[in-house]
Amino acid sequence: AQSVTQLDSQVPVFEEAPVELRCNYSSSVSVYLFWYVQYPNQGLQLLLKYLSGSTLVKGINGFEAEFNKSQTSFHLRKPSVHISDTAEYFCAHGIQGAQKLVFGQGTRLTINP
Amino acid sequence: DTGVSQDPRHKITKRGQNVTFRCDPISEHNRLYWYRQTLGQGPEFLTYFQNEAQLEKSRLLSDRFSAERPKGSFSTLEIQRTEQGDSAMYLCASSPGPLAEKLFFGSGTQLSVL
Repeated sequence: AQSVTQLDSQVPVFEEAPVELRCNYSSSVSVYLFWYVQYPNQGLQLLLKYLSGSTLVKGINGFEAEFNKSQTSFHLRKPSVHISDTAEYFCAHGIQGAQKLVFGQGTRLTINP
Repeated sequence: DTGVSQDPRHKITKRGQNVTFRCDPISEHNRLYWYRQTLGQGPEFLTYFQNEAQLEKSRLLSDRFSAERPKGSFSTLEIQRTEQGDSAMYLCASSPGPLAEKLFFGSGTQLSVL
């Protein structure tokens, strides 16, 4: 079965520091990868997606992710975080031709002033 | 575009009771998904619809769970004879087409079974 592993359940960082949230997916023929963010008491919101093309994907709020096929990874990065980035981040893999998503366990990003 | 709305936001029930949740997708979206999210976990796929047709059900969806989308618009998820293990956030999402790349999520219904 397809699976997604987020290697860190919690990541604390200081404001304005860089951050990387790690995600590995189980290999498959077709690869559709997503990062979602969930702010407290809100629904999941799409940050960015990789469907094909350039392996470096830019998303909203200054986030970017790099698709690495050989390492089956899709790590999320931001060069300088803000307090408002405090949230839960979910990596997801689209399966069955991306008709549905399989999610990782989530990474809670906490920004300290 | 008013987004995906779910009702109620919170539901507290006693074990053994039946509960029903409603999801109103974005109006022109023909795909509708239900996911379940427990504390500390990512959302798990439950089922999805193409218009009124239920195309797939996860093995997570026991016989006590039933979902409908009678006119291809709103959807309901019913849980019969609730158990404490059913306590979770139930998320609804919709998309305009077959690909999940344009999936929009609602804020969810938090179910607590006492």
